[in-house]
Amino acid sequence: EAQVTQNPRYLITVTGKKLTVTCSQNMNHEYMSWYRQDPGLGLRQIYYSMNVEVTDKGDVPEGYKVSRKEKRNFPLILESPSPNQTSLYFCATGLAGGNEQFFGPGTRLTVL
Amino acid sequence: GESVGLHLPTLSVQEGDNSIINCAYSNSASDYFIWYKQESGKGPQFIIDIRSNMDKRQGQRVTVLLNKTVKHLSLQIAATQPGDSAVYFCAEITDYKLSFGAGTTVTVRA
Repeated sequence: EAQVTQNPRYLITVTGKKLTVTCSQNMNHEYMSWYRQDPGLGLRQIYYSMNVEVTDKGDVPEGYKVSRKEKRNFPLILESPSPNQTSLYFCATGLAGGNEQFFGPGTRLTVL
Repeated sequence: GESVGLHLPTLSVQEGDNSIINCAYSNSASDYFIWYKQESGKGPQFIIDIRSNMDKRQGQRVTVLLNKTVKHLSLQIAATQPGDSAVYFCAEITDYKLSFGAGTTVTVRA
């Protein structure tokens, strides 16, 4: 079954404690991306990757890091989380153009 | 700045009627315009896209129209069903960067 998985699905943490949200896909897609979704602001792109070892900033990259060491995984790293990073995070994958993307189930993060 | 936006935040539709969801955009350089559907508690789901050099594209029960003159995008859903109740986002992609509008919540009345 083609799928995008994210872990954890829910996380409550405290300010400054480093965390990683994993994203994995089994569709052999080149393109992967991270978004955050906040009420009234819609979905905003954090980072995207067009292929292994190729990443680029989206609209809201501050406070986040990503890596793409292998095709199937695209972890999102928060080195020092802050309360303004409390949000619903989605990972997505797609073919090279990125216009048709398949989204994961989301990770709800709360930073206290 | 450049943005993608929707005309109305909510839309109520009678089951069986056609729905029209509108979106205004400002970036003329976008490569594709896309519609996504998000049901409660789920991630967005791709519905249909249209290349910037096209005016119309049809899918199963959906039609997307692109008017570049007035920078307007619309999604038409034929014979709206209860399962169409969701939030609909228009989006545009430029140089692999995807930007979403704020969304229109569609409620289907029985």
